Amino acid sequence: QKEVEQDPGPLSVPEGAIVSLNCTYSNSAFQYFMWYRQYSRKGPELLMYTYSSGNKEDGRFTAQVDKSSKYISLFIRDSQPSDSATYLCAMIEGAGNKLTFGGGTRVLVKP
Amino acid sequence: GAVVSQHPSWVICKSGTSVKIECRSLDFQATTMFWYRQFPKQSLMLMATSNEGSKATYEQGVEKDKFLINHASLTLSTLTVTSAHPEDSSFYICSAREVQGWETQYFGPGTRLLVL
Repeated sequence: QKEVEQDPGPLSVPEGAIVSLNCTYSNSAFQYFMWYRQYSRKGPELLMYTYSSGNKEDGRFTAQVDKSSKYISLFIRDSQPSDSATYLCAMIEGAGNKLTFGGGTRVLVKP
Repeated sequence: GAVVSQHPSWVICKSGTSVKIECRSLDFQATTMFWYRQFPKQSLMLMATSNEGSKATYEQGVEKDKFLINHASLTLSTLTVTSAHPEDSSFYICSAREVQGWETQYFGPGTRLLVL
């Protein structure tokens, strides 16, 4: 079993819909959680970074962390075709540790 | 802020040659840089962790003599693929971690390597 599980998709939604992404993890030592967006043939771009359980909002993006359930989510409101990309969750235990990635979810937003 | 560049963005080379890829943090200092490899439709695979002024730490299964990593300054790390072969063809991505922010990494745009 992988440390971080993420549905590979593809997740297809109409423009304007809410995109809902999630990851589950098994390592309770993970403290920091990130969401990256990766366009085809490009490097990942950091979207959101959270620490504690709860919600964090940044523009159209909302990240949720539920440490008790070992479950994190990313919501994208008012989705646009330009949001079509692969979304990777990542997490880290602490200082000096490496990132552990989910496998990525491919999202398609159709005009 | 937090911009990481990579050069070259793509390279085609003949089998047996060596290829050097540069990774630079443009607006911050990075004590630690990471090198990843990514195959089509797969997630990133960590190859090695590079700390400024010390030897890189390689992940299990990664040949250190084939993938030479140098991190000579707080803004530059290089990956040299020595005696490249077609199976080394891949997308190589570096990331950098700020001195003050150990919990986040910023990624470069990636380098696509094709070995003929």
